[in-house]
Amino acid sequence: AQKITQTQPGMFVQEKEAVTLDCTYDTSDPSYGLFWYKQPSSGEMIFLIYQGSYDQQNATEGRYSLNFQKARKSANLVISASQLGDSAMYFCAMREGITGANSKLTFGKGITLSVRP
Amino acid sequence: GAVVSQHPSWVICKSGTSVKIECRSLDFQATTMFWYRQFPKQSLMLMATSNEGSKATYEQGVEKDKFLINHASLTLSTLTVTSAHPEDSSFYICSARDESGKAPDTQYFGPGTRLTVL
Repeated sequence: AQKITQTQPGMFVQEKEAVTLDCTYDTSDPSYGLFWYKQPSSGEMIFLIYQGSYDQQNATEGRYSLNFQKARKSANLVISASQLGDSAMYFCAMREGITGANSKLTFGKGITLSVRP
Repeated sequence: GAVVSQHPSWVICKSGTSVKIECRSLDFQATTMFWYRQFPKQSLMLMATSNEGSKATYEQGVEKDKFLINHASLTLSTLTVTSAHPEDSSFYICSARDESGKAPDTQYFGPGTRLTVL
């Protein structure tokens, strides 16, 4: 089974509207971390937001928030007030187990978001 | 903060030559760096984990003799693609783990290197 699942093939949103990008994960480890990265066409991977499995509140970073539903094993990214510059590929990733020097990230396949003017 | 640079940003080489790619953490020290490969419109594939002062840990299926990794200091890791062939053409991207951040497993990525082997 895939550890990170991103099934939306491509998303479109009107400028200034909010959009939700879906991510579900699969792990039996009680300790894990969830990450979202943005990759514009230039190729760089930009860290957006982090959610720890023991965090009581949903993470927020500016226009980004993470809708963390632990029982459903979902960690959806919500982008509010979309901007044209938000058009990019978005990857969800997970680190399993406690933090450590060799903690690896498992990435989903990504979702393409296009913001329409 | 947490800036990672990568050099070169693109390289074209002839088949059979070796290419070295550098990854530097500019404003933090990174005991651990990671090397990924990405094909067009696909996700990142982890190639190896690079630890300062020790041998890299390669993922299954990645040839360690072909992809040489050296992590000589807390701010620099290098990936050398030896005897490159056209099938090695890809986008290579490195990341560095910032252990001082509030999310200590957060990996910060370099801008990537596009390798084309003719």
